[in-house]
Amino acid sequence: AQTVTQSQPEMSVQEAETVTLSCTYDTSESDYYLFWYKQPPSRQMILVIRQEAYKQQNATENRFSVNFQKAAKSFSLKISDSQLGDAAMYFCAYRGVRDDKIIFGKGTRLHILP
Amino acid sequence: EPEVTQTPSHQVTQMGQEVILRCVPISNHLYFYWYRQILGQKVEFLVSFYNNEISEKSEIFDDQFSVERPDGSNFTLKIRSTKLEDSAMYFCASSWTSSWEQYFGPGTRLTVT
Repeated sequence: AQTVTQSQPEMSVQEAETVTLSCTYDTSESDYYLFWYKQPPSRQMILVIRQEAYKQQNATENRFSVNFQKAAKSFSLKISDSQLGDAAMYFCAYRGVRDDKIIFGKGTRLHILP
Repeated sequence: EPEVTQTPSHQVTQMGQEVILRCVPISNHLYFYWYRQILGQKVEFLVSFYNNEISEKSEIFDDQFSVERPDGSNFTLKIRSTKLEDSAMYFCASSWTSSWEQYFGPGTRLTVT
């Protein structure tokens, strides 16, 4: 069965600094999707970034980028120039290409220090 | 920007009672999902729904649970006889296709007493 592990329950970063959130996963499939979702307090989860496993190039979305290491089954999220609005719970997630279900990690709560 | 909405935001019910959680997916989406998150645990997939039938369900989704799209806009999750362990945050999601991004609602917190 596929699993997603986030080993950092909480992290803090100074405003304008860079922070990296870690995620590892386990799967026997060769093709799948990986996601980072952001959940601000009392708000819904929104997709931050998505990576297709068949793509070698790391996905980027403005200040957000990933380091996708397929052989190591690692998928970390880097947030550059952290802003107060980045404070949220961040979930790493996996979905097989033939699956409907998304498998989530436990989340990392990110605090931004002014 | 269109959003998935869920009502109520918080539902308190007594053990053994039936409860219906409601969701309004994004209007042109065709795939619908329910997830739940027990306090302190991971978000877990319950069920997916397409073309008026269940397309995938987890082992959690037993005979106590059912889903329905009663009209063109709502998507509901019914728990027939609630148990204490059903207390959780329930998230609805929808997507345009099965391979596309799933958009999540804000959740309904269900408390079973």
